[in-house]
Amino acid sequence: GENVEQHPSTLSVQEGDSAVIKCTYSDSASNYFPWYKQELGKRPQLIIDIRSNVGEKKDQRIAVTLNKTAKHFSLHITETQPEDSAVYFCAACRGGSYIPTFGRGTSLIVHP
Amino acid sequence: SAVISQKPSRDICQRGTSLTIQCQVDSQVTMMFWYRQQPGQSLTLIATANQGSEATYESGFVIDKFPISRPNLTFSTLTVSNMSPEDSSIYLCSVGADTGGTQYFGPGTRLLVL
Repeated sequence: GENVEQHPSTLSVQEGDSAVIKCTYSDSASNYFPWYKQELGKRPQLIIDIRSNVGEKKDQRIAVTLNKTAKHFSLHITETQPEDSAVYFCAACRGGSYIPTFGRGTSLIVHP
Repeated sequence: SAVISQKPSRDICQRGTSLTIQCQVDSQVTMMFWYRQQPGQSLTLIATANQGSEATYESGFVIDKFPISRPNLTFSTLTVSNMSPEDSSIYLCSVGADTGGTQYFGPGTRLLVL
């Protein structure tokens, strides 16, 4: 089955810096890659996603890149703010499946 | 996206007892799922709740421990049976987008077993 590795497990940055979280996947049939943000005590919420027919997608301060050949994808957050502090999960999903495989999560801490 | 609610939001239970968690969606959805999130951990799929038939369980989860009902396209329940402290977790229901892959989560039920 699919295996998703996520790094780092913890990321600490200063407000205004950029943050990058990286994930790799094993199943070449995966073609959908969502990212979730989970604030403390809250539910995971989808923040951005990318399908395998594109290499990059941006939404204001967040962007996701995908390298299908290397089987890795990354989340980029620019101009970080304290409210970006949360746990971020990447996931990979096979074509035709409704069930993603989640990474272990990255705890992002943005210091004011 | 659909509005998802869960009851109870949290509970403290004694070992050996059972707790039933309810998940209500404000619109009909095809795919509903139940996840467990242990403290500081990722999201682990327990089962897919199938309307009108038995749930499909993931490896490591069995029906006797986690019976699931799905009587219609807007409602599902998960029961955690014969609880032990190791069952202390957050339990989340989710609905799947019709396009596949995207999951929308309910607010979760925080369970503490003493």
